[in-house]
Amino acid sequence: ETGVTQTPRHLVMGMTNKKSLKCEQHLGHNAMYWYKQSAKKPLELMFVYNFKEQTENNSVPSRFSPECPNSSHLFLHLHTLQPEDSALYLCASSQDVQDSDLEKLFFGSGTQLSVL
Amino acid sequence: GQNIDQPTEMTATEGAIVQINCTYQTSGFNGLFWYQQHAGEAPTFLSYNVLDGLEEKGRFSSFLSRSKGYSYLLLKELQMKDSASYLCAVRDHEGGATNKLIFGTGTLLAVQP
Repeated sequence: ETGVTQTPRHLVMGMTNKKSLKCEQHLGHNAMYWYKQSAKKPLELMFVYNFKEQTENNSVPSRFSPECPNSSHLFLHLHTLQPEDSALYLCASSQDVQDSDLEKLFFGSGTQLSVL
Repeated sequence: GQNIDQPTEMTATEGAIVQINCTYQTSGFNGLFWYQQHAGEAPTFLSYNVLDGLEEKGRFSSFLSRSKGYSYLLLKELQMKDSASYLCAVRDHEGGATNKLIFGTGTLLAVQP
């Protein structure tokens, strides 16, 4: 148990569906992240939030829409996805995004998404 | 640009020692992390290096040479439970205030009896 909880663990959706991924951290961290993990590819950073403010959008298509209502919760809203968006979506948190080893990430177990 | 290279797969024997290498190219290097990820689970933090040299934590050690853009993770007294993917990640603050973690593809280690 890393202190970061993601739901659902698995999700199958059609290209016309709208769904949301949820992430919650109980570590008192200020920064939260969405990563995408595809088979045989490196973890790709999607979004970074620091104190609820988005500080990084790594050229992610608009069909992915993040929401961070407070420092403990992070959502990823999905709309009209493509089959190539099928991947493991990992949420992570860290104490801060500043310069120290405190920036080590605590990951959730991820949501395995399949787009049909 | 940014680039991180590590072997895709490795195999080792229970009780042995294995070294997983990672080379990187970044312009704003600001620390290197190793994470362990078991299949279907979250990556978990193993080690952090920002200065040259060796950091030891029990059976695991991590080495960094900034001048060579090189790191390795050393696992001693291998156990079957060490079978996992090992992710090398470099913190880079190129072009912005936010420190980003750039990950390699991971090295899938299989420990055999």
